Amino acid sequence: AQSVTQLDSQVPVFEEAPVELRCNYSSSVSVYLFWYVQYPNQGLQLLLKYLSGSTLVKGINGFEAEFNKSQTSFHLRKPSVHISDTAEYFCAAFNTGFQKLVFGTGTRLLVSP
Amino acid sequence: EAGVAQSPRYKIIEKRQSVAFWCNPISGHATLYWYQQILGQGPKLLIQFQNNGVVDDSQLPKDRFSAERLKGVDSTLKIQPAKLEDSAVYLCASSLDREQPQHFGDGTRLSIL
Repeated sequence: AQSVTQLDSQVPVFEEAPVELRCNYSSSVSVYLFWYVQYPNQGLQLLLKYLSGSTLVKGINGFEAEFNKSQTSFHLRKPSVHISDTAEYFCAAFNTGFQKLVFGTGTRLLVSP
Repeated sequence: EAGVAQSPRYKIIEKRQSVAFWCNPISGHATLYWYQQILGQGPKLLIQFQNNGVVDDSQLPKDRFSAERLKGVDSTLKIQPAKLEDSAVYLCASSLDREQPQHFGDGTRLSIL
């Protein structure tokens, strides 16, 4: 069965510092990979997606992620975070065989001044 | 474009009562999803529609949950009777087709007393 692992449940960081949120997936077939952000009392908003092509994907709000097939990872990065980046971040993998999107358990990013 | 609309935003009921949620997807989106998000977890797919047909309802507790998408546009999700463990946020999402990124509504937060 396909699974998505986000090892860090919470990541505290100071404003303007860089951050990396880790995501690993397991799948025996090709996958599409996504990062979503969820602000309090809101739905999920798509940050970026990897479908094919370049392994470095740029998204909104200055975020980027790198697809690494050999390590089955899709880590999210931002070189300098803002207070407004405080939110829950979900990694998700779409299994092209089963046609189903599976989410990780989420990582709470806490940015402090 | 208008996003995915959901109502109500909040609902409080007692256990064993019934409740219904409504979702209006983005215009032209053929695929509609209902997710359950329990506090501290990632969204879990309950049911997926392609137009007005059910594609996947393998994780829907069919003894108490039901959903329909008449005319292939709006959808309703019903719980009858509700249990304490149904307390969660119910998210609706839509996409152009099954392999395109999903767009989420703001969800309905359900509390069972």
